[in-house]
Amino acid sequence: GAVVSQHPSWVICKSGTSVKIECRSLDFQATTMFWYRQFPKQSLMLMATSNEGSKATYEQGVEKDKFLINHASLTLSTLTVTSAHPEDSSFYICSARDSPSTEQFFGPGTRLTVL
Amino acid sequence: SQQGEEDPQALSIQEGENATMNCSYKTSINNLQWYRQNSGRGLVHLILIRSNEREKHSGRLRVTLDTSKKSSSLLITASRAADTASYFCATDPQTSGSRLTFGEGTQLTVNP
Repeated sequence: GAVVSQHPSWVICKSGTSVKIECRSLDFQATTMFWYRQFPKQSLMLMATSNEGSKATYEQGVEKDKFLINHASLTLSTLTVTSAHPEDSSFYICSARDSPSTEQFFGPGTRLTVL
Repeated sequence: SQQGEEDPQALSIQEGENATMNCSYKTSINNLQWYRQNSGRGLVHLILIRSNEREKHSGRLRVTLDTSKKSSSLLITASRAADTASYFCATDPQTSGSRLTFGEGTQLTVNP
């Protein structure tokens, strides 16, 4: 199957700083990328959907000014957690697909810990 | 809110036994997918079953889909210790623009 990578795999930061997470599709063009958040022992919650060249669509309750998403190319989307706080500590997972009729391929996730 | 509900939440079996996990959902779907996640890792896609399919096999995995009951099951036969992981169903609702909705997951432990 197709490969999606994320960088970094884990990050620790101080409260108030911003953290950028990258999601790349390595062998296909991802017209759509999805960002999920997963708290310990819980399921994945969709945060936002981003289409290349368009503004992201955020799920209800997700602050778009806090979680900035950029999908500037067909192989790269970034999620920036601005002014991170300890409650933002979570596992962030992206997925990508090349068309609406194809499956989503998931990245390995990024563990964010905010001190 | 999560559309999918899975049961059991946790399942512990001995190696060699079969494991069955169930998933229920609320709205009409295009397809339903099952994923596996090892602790602290990303998701691995196991199998996709479309709304017009009733059963699908892949190796030791067997998935059924009953759209009239809005439910699906994942059967892992002859389980191995390496099958220990969390298993999630995810639905692709017809009205969501292909945004997957994940169930709560089943934590499977296979004891050697």
